[in-house]
Amino acid sequence: DAGITQSPRHKVTETGTPVTLRCHQTENHRYMYWYRQDPGHGLRLIHYSYGVKDTDKGEVSDGYSVSRSKTEDFLLTLESATSSQTSVYFCAISPERGNEQFFGPGTRLTVL
Amino acid sequence: AQSVTQPDIHITVSEGASLELRCNYSYGATPYLFWYVQSPGQGLQLLLKYFSGDTLVQGIKGFEAEFKRSQSSFNLRKPSVHWSDAAEYFCAVKTSYDKVIFGPGTSLSVIP
Repeated sequence: DAGITQSPRHKVTETGTPVTLRCHQTENHRYMYWYRQDPGHGLRLIHYSYGVKDTDKGEVSDGYSVSRSKTEDFLLTLESATSSQTSVYFCAISPERGNEQFFGPGTRLTVL
Repeated sequence: AQSVTQPDIHITVSEGASLELRCNYSYGATPYLFWYVQSPGQGLQLLLKYFSGDTLVQGIKGFEAEFKRSQSSFNLRKPSVHWSDAAEYFCAVKTSYDKVIFGPGTSLSVIP
């Protein structure tokens, strides 16, 4: 299995609080992605990174920011969490853009 | 717009029966296509992919998929389903911007 970890695995927070989710890889892959998974929507891309300090928006980026200061770490931040951001968040990595992606175990976030 | 549809939200089959999960895509050029499986509480795992060449693709766990350009389809098949195949299945397509779009998923239940 690809070496991808996500932390925390579960989090409950309150509306308006900041939240940061971490994705860590040991594969040295260039591309890293953050998705959210909601029933009936499959996976939707939030942000992705194509190198250290190189990031771009996905289809549902409003309310989210990301940072990648090291190859192995990709952080997703909710500056002020809202109930609509309650979801399961997955990190994925890929050696090439548009090719096979390897997924982390997910983080279940609940915003009350 | 490029999209992926999976017409069946939920399918139930008996153990030992054959399986076909449908996937249709909307994309102008020759697509890169993927099938992923997600077991409960886990991230996605690649079952197989099609980039070019033989339109019948073999994957892991005994799955295969057939690319039919005339029907814009990439259906997943397995001749004999095992109880451990119960999971969520996602079809995905690489877009012209090298991003991957996921379908909404098909949930598979297996009756012993």
